[in-house]
Amino acid sequence: EKVLTQSPATLSVSPGDRATLSCRASQNIGSNLAWYQQRPGQAPRLLIYGASRRATGIPARFSGSGSGTEFTLTITSLQSEDFAVYYCQQYNNWPRTFGQGTKVDIK
Amino acid sequence: EVQLLESGGGLVQPGGSLRLSCAASGFTFSNFVMNWVRQAPGKGLEWVSSISALRNNTYYVESVRGRFTISRDNSKNTLFLQMSSLRAEDTAVYFCAKVGGGYTDAFDTWGQGTMVTVSS
Repeated sequence: EKVLTQSPATLSVSPGDRATLSCRASQNIGSNLAWYQQRPGQAPRLLIYGASRRATGIPARFSGSGSGTEFTLTITSLQSEDFAVYYCQQYNNWPRTFGQGTKVDIK
Repeated sequence: EVQLLESGGGLVQPGGSLRLSCAASGFTFSNFVMNWVRQAPGKGLEWVSSISALRNNTYYVESVRGRFTISRDNSKNTLFLQMSSLRAEDTAVYFCAKVGGGYTDAFDTWGQGTMVTVSS
């Protein structure tokens, strides 16, 4: 099983600042990594797939990078609606796995 | 508009059974791998199960293998999750999700979820 470890668990950021989230895979998953955003009481929303490709309708302030075992989600100029929990997910192998999540809250 | 609508959740006693449904609309359901993901109260996301477009391949997280069965009716655009021998640790919101298809196996559309509570 491919384990995904996200860091930090919580990230406190001021509106307008940049947030950098990390996801590390226990084994090589190529570029088969997605990032999701989940706001309280809502379903997850796909942000990034293929490690760096923005999903339809996702603002350009969201970007993803990395391959193999190290991945990063960067949110530039945080908006109020960006304060949420972010999950990475690998879809390289079965079972599909998610990271434990990073909560981005207001500093 | 692509939509997924789950139903069938509720309160069930330990050892009991429940069948979840996910009604799909706005896309050609039979062309896409479909998935169930759950989220226990206050916890993260956990992938539960997936089924291929033509139903010939199914996949499960180890903790539900042998207790849960994923299926689909492509003629009715509906995904199912039959859950049996339910345990307290199965308590969660259950989401259905579709993969992107030709461009990605990431989950590009999610339903709003249905709550399953296993308690006596």
